[in-house]
Amino acid sequence: SYVLTQPPSVSVAPGETANITCEGDNIGIKNVHWYQQRPGQAPVVVVYYDFDRPSGISERFSGSNSGNTATLTVTRVEAGDEGDYYCQVWVRSGDWVFGGGTTLTV
Amino acid sequence: EVQLVEAGGGLVQPGGSLRLSCAASGFTFSSYWMSWVRQAPGKGLEWVATISQQGGQKYIVDSVNGRFSVSRDNAKNSLFLQMNGLRPEDTAVFYCALLESAPGGYFKNWGRGTLVAVST
Repeated sequence: SYVLTQPPSVSVAPGETANITCEGDNIGIKNVHWYQQRPGQAPVVVVYYDFDRPSGISERFSGSNSGNTATLTVTRVEAGDEGDYYCQVWVRSGDWVFGGGTTLTV
Repeated sequence: EVQLVEAGGGLVQPGGSLRLSCAASGFTFSSYWMSWVRQAPGKGLEWVATISQQGGQKYIVDSVNGRFSVSRDNAKNSLFLQMNGLRPEDTAVFYCALLESAPGGYFKNWGRGTLVAVST
């Protein structure tokens, strides 16, 4: 089965840039989606199809995807950005895969 | 505004059954694939099941295949997850989610989840 690997944690100071990676075999040819989950809340999509951003999501969130690594970048990090972030891809019908999640600490 | 409201969770003994439901509103339910995603306590997200608009295509993760089944009632804007033979490792919050641009799309909207606890 297809595996997505994320670092367990990323820590940045307020105002800095956070890069959260998601590694998978040739992930660059797949569509990657990113979700933010604040403590005690349901997940929210923050980037979809590698780099698109839903309305209402801050432009500080951006994504890229190439080779074996997809990256979620959060610029000018704020305390409210703390939480868990998950990458997700569709492999085939019957196989939607999430990464293990990364805890962002500000 | 899209709303997804799960119900039916609770405490059940190993081997027991539960039927989760998800009431949808704010969008044309019959036009979208729908999914269930679960999250064990302190763990990550795990896709569980997906069903197409009219229910003709259904997909279940291998770990629960044969024990769980997904269905929908478009007349009642409702999604269901029938869970039989529950095991302690099935303990999780179960989220209902709208799958945008299915099947290869993303989980655009999520409910708040319902907790299923399997224990003696």
